[in-house]
Amino acid sequence: AQKITQTQPGMFVQEKEAVTLDCTYDTSDPSYGLFWYKQPSSGEMIFLIYQGSYDQQNATEGRYSLNFQKARKSANLVISASQLGDSAMYFCAMRDLGAGGTSYGKLTFGQGTILTVHP
Amino acid sequence: EAQVTQNPRYLITVTGKKLTVTCSQNMNHEYMSWYRQDPGLGLRQIYYSMNVEATDKGDVPEGYKVSRKEKRNFPLILESPSPNQTSLYFCASSLIGGALDTQYFGPGTRLTVL
Repeated sequence: AQKITQTQPGMFVQEKEAVTLDCTYDTSDPSYGLFWYKQPSSGEMIFLIYQGSYDQQNATEGRYSLNFQKARKSANLVISASQLGDSAMYFCAMRDLGAGGTSYGKLTFGQGTILTVHP
Repeated sequence: EAQVTQNPRYLITVTGKKLTVTCSQNMNHEYMSWYRQDPGLGLRQIYYSMNVEATDKGDVPEGYKVSRKEKRNFPLILESPSPNQTSLYFCASSLIGGALDTQYFGPGTRLTVL
């Protein structure tokens, strides 16, 4: 079963508008971390924001916020006031311990969403 | 500056010619890992290391070797590269290997095997 699902292959947003990128996850571990990374066309993988499974409040980092709905197993990324430089591929990822600890330390990634910001 | 560095950034080689991609981090992280990224397949873990002299296979270890003799370095070795190893490779590190720990990535190495 796919552990991370990003259902939006591509998204478009107008500059200065907000945009939400969807992510759902699947795990039976009580302890897990959810991460968003940005990959611009240059290829590097840039860490944006983190949410721990025990965190009571949604994570925020500048213009990025994570809408964490634990019961629905969703961890959507919200980018406020989009900028042209936000155009990139965005990956949702999860770290858990896996069955018997077999995936200890591994990040499992979704397929990514390409975000295009229009002027 | 806290960072993960990889070298080389770009490499074109031929089948069978042994190569090493270096990875180094200056954050005193215990956990290090290698991933490859391929279109349609996403990012997949190759090998990881929980600490010095402690390495283990990820999801796609075939054709790769690693070593962790020092905490800061985690080289990826392709003893006999083949064209199906053409990919974008990332080294990553985190303080520890726990589920709640953030992994930071190097800039990536684009490898082409002819």
